Amino acid sequence: QVQLVQSGAEVKKPGASVKVSCKASGYTFTGYYLHWVRQVPGQGLEWMGWINPNTGGTIYAQKFQGRVTLTRDTSINTAYMELSSLRSDDTAVYYCVRIQLLGLLKRFDPWGQGTLVTVSS
Amino acid sequence: EIVLTQSPGTLSLSPGERATLSCRASQSVSSNSLAWYQQKPGQAPRLLIYGASIRATGIPDRFSGSGSGTDFSLTISRLEPEDFAVYYCQQFHNSPFTFGQGTKLNIK
Repeated sequence: QVQLVQSGAEVKKPGASVKVSCKASGYTFTGYYLHWVRQVPGQGLEWMGWINPNTGGTIYAQKFQGRVTLTRDTSINTAYMELSSLRSDDTAVYYCVRIQLLGLLKRFDPWGQGTLVTVSS
Repeated sequence: EIVLTQSPGTLSLSPGERATLSCRASQSVSSNSLAWYQQKPGQAPRLLIYGASIRATGIPDRFSGSGSGTDFSLTISRLEPEDFAVYYCQQFHNSPFTFGQGTKLNIK
């Protein structure tokens, strides 16, 4: 079945970087854009950006411009989200999610299981 | 940026009751571009409704979505114990693809 499996939890110090992976299976990796969404504990969902796994093209939310980098490795069907200059308010669960386009319809499905990134000195 | 405002913030109901959740957009959103998700503690969000009114695969028919323009709603006709969770609306009309702040559905 279609599945996104993310890497495990990370603990980082302020100012460091973190790289989260998202391995896709059950579908053609290059056929669907992958988005990243984060959720600060106890809060809502925040969209960060997307990558086109076919071309490597990316779009980032303005809030994360300059700090986030989305990449992919098509040989192993894996996408990556790297966030730099980490601050304590970057402590959150980071999700990758596939976007499906059905004509004019769009939907996020499925979601990865999430990766908790904790930023603490 | 399109702001989605969900109401109420918290809804306390009993199993068997009907729940109506609202999502209001700061500007008009195409119905093709409005989705609803359910999230339970410790889990990733789960797609419920897309295209404002189309149930995702495996979603029970007690869940229904409606609306257009700036006003959308999610209705759960008869609440089951497993329906008590947080619900988010999301728009794909314009980037950034924003979410509402969520409605928490509590057991009364």
